[in-house]
Amino acid sequence: SQTIHQWPATLVQPVGSPLSLECTVEGTSNPNLYWYRQAAGRGLQLLFYSVGIGQISSEVPQNLSASRPQDRQFILSSKKLLLSDSGFYLCAWSVLTHTEAFFGQGTRLTVV
Amino acid sequence: EDKVVQSPLSLVVHEGDTVTLNCSYEVTNFRSLLWYKQEKKAPTFLFMLTSSGIEKKSGRLSSILDKKELFSILNITATQTGDSAIYLCAVVSSGGSNYKLTFGKGTLLTVNP
Repeated sequence: SQTIHQWPATLVQPVGSPLSLECTVEGTSNPNLYWYRQAAGRGLQLLFYSVGIGQISSEVPQNLSASRPQDRQFILSSKKLLLSDSGFYLCAWSVLTHTEAFFGQGTRLTVV
Repeated sequence: EDKVVQSPLSLVVHEGDTVTLNCSYEVTNFRSLLWYKQEKKAPTFLFMLTSSGIEKKSGRLSSILDKKELFSILNITATQTGDSAIYLCAVVSSGGSNYKLTFGKGTLLTVNP
């Protein structure tokens, strides 16, 4: 069966520090991978999505970047965090032939 | 730009009430519409709708899609306190062989005893 791992669960970082959130998927090949941010416990904003290794599409211009160094690994990064980067970040995957997205447990990021 | 709008943004009801949540969308190359329930952390999948007029049902929850008017509704009958959650609507669109999910802001449902 497929599983998705996302870590860390909680992170507190000072303004100006770098960020790296990791997400890995098991049990499937060539998944679509997504990073979402959810602010104030509400709707999900799509940040990045990837249909293959090294292929990243950015939906919102911002302080963040994403990379997909391996087929089932998706990394969200920042060189210098801003206060406005605080939020709940969710990684998700879907298969091209199916369209449900399955989510990781999320990372609560607080920038102080 | 793909757009998904949910209404209402929040709703407070009493146990036993019936609620209807709305989701309208504007996307290019619509593929399907998904409903999720989010209680604490990760959203959990409820329904996937691809065809107009066919109701999907799971217990007290049901959903239907209207592809002509570009909206979907999620009904919950005989609500329980355990139904309290954020309900998210997402639309899958495609461009070539790529698929993308666009979420609405969600409806926060609170069911009081």
